[in-house]
Amino acid sequence: KAGVTQTPRYLIKTRGQQVTLSCSPISGHRSVSWYQQTPGQGLQFLFEYFSETQRNKGNFPGRFSGRQFSNSRSEMNVSTLELGDSALYLCASSLAGGRQETQYFGPGTRLLVL
Amino acid sequence: GENVEQHPSTLSVQEGDSAVIKCTYSDSASNYFPWYKQELGKGPQLIIDIRSNVGEKKDQRIAVTLNKTAKHFSLHITETQPEDSAVYFCAASLYGQNFVFGPGTRLSVLP
Repeated sequence: KAGVTQTPRYLIKTRGQQVTLSCSPISGHRSVSWYQQTPGQGLQFLFEYFSETQRNKGNFPGRFSGRQFSNSRSEMNVSTLELGDSALYLCASSLAGGRQETQYFGPGTRLLVL
Repeated sequence: GENVEQHPSTLSVQEGDSAVIKCTYSDSASNYFPWYKQELGKGPQLIIDIRSNVGEKKDQRIAVTLNKTAKHFSLHITETQPEDSAVYFCAASLYGQNFVFGPGTRLSVLP
């Protein structure tokens, strides 16, 4: 089975721009979660989507948003980029996102904001 | 909310020795505890997990122990090899926020 894929792998943007990242989950997985990883804050939960609905949300500003399509693929959008948004953005998929369910991570998209 | 602490932040061992990484969590309602290994340029990969109704789980050279009373769990790697060098993250599952991760431990296995 193919793993979680994320595109693009690397991205350079300037402050004030917006960016859209894409995640394709493992076939059959319906839950997609997004995380931000930085050296200072570690891995932080952004939000989770299940059946095209945002089910859980972390403590991030409204500039961070996402959506999920009927084929379970998900996109994450960050508007009005700030320098502090530079990070590795990871998505993880699981079958249904239950509390004891294994999450499988993609390779991440590395975003650099200049 | 949930808080997960992880120690040590860096760990160096000689090849063949054992490595132990410890995590503590704050929410007694958490009941799923996975461990992930992250190599340079890659996303985290699940290496072992444990649920709250189990005290210990082993998979070849890797084992995890859980003490629910004390709210801590540990990763044990025996007979370490250079390819075990990576950053290891523990996590605890919390309803409403998915997983809360520890800050990570950078393990270096010296040949």
